[in-house]
Amino acid sequence: SQQGEEDPQALSIQEGENATMNCSYKTSINNLQWYRQNSGRGLVHLILIRSNEREKHSGRLRVTLDTSKKSSSLLITASRAADTASYFCATVYLGGTSYGKLTFGQGTILTVHP
Amino acid sequence: GAVVSQHPSWVICKSGTSVKIECRSLDFQATTMFWYRQFPKQSLMLMATSNEGSKATYEQGVEKDKFLINHASLTLSTLTVTSAHPEDSSFYICSAGNPGRMNTEAFFGQGTRLTVV
Repeated sequence: SQQGEEDPQALSIQEGENATMNCSYKTSINNLQWYRQNSGRGLVHLILIRSNEREKHSGRLRVTLDTSKKSSSLLITASRAADTASYFCATVYLGGTSYGKLTFGQGTILTVHP
Repeated sequence: GAVVSQHPSWVICKSGTSVKIECRSLDFQATTMFWYRQFPKQSLMLMATSNEGSKATYEQGVEKDKFLINHASLTLSTLTVTSAHPEDSSFYICSAGNPGRMNTEAFFGQGTRLTVV
């Protein structure tokens, strides 16, 4: 079953603005990953944050993780039209019967207007 | 990163026929393969988990007789959609892994868009 919730479901901004997407989950995790998906295409891995980490950066991306609140956020700074895509968070728990599988959030559709 | 190749990238088939999708790990041994499905405008849902040499484990609500998964080698897993119907039209994507890679980024194939007419 889908455990992750993302908000907003859709976000529309102008080029140059920052975009923030949030993800909440329900169970224990070992890591949380963010992916981008352009319309009708495969997944592009953006960043992974482990459960013992609180913040990671990669280029224009900043991810935070709050395990006490079971939530994560993805910040894209200085957005570009090419950032237009769907963004998904996915959690991994290395235990029990769910070993290694990804549980995806509902996704945020980001539209960046030139 | 590791390379996972999925084939075909798209397929159109007639209702009632079967379609096979292949997922290959090209540069590492994939002891585990995960198969996901994504309906239009929705998120990805895990269908099944296969471990090399053993039967796949299916998620609740996924018909194992309809979605046949074979993982006979450490580099290849196949998903066969049997007696496909229009409601099976979807985006199918695989992910390959092994115990040493489970706490790292997941490696996905390119995905297969299946259209059943």
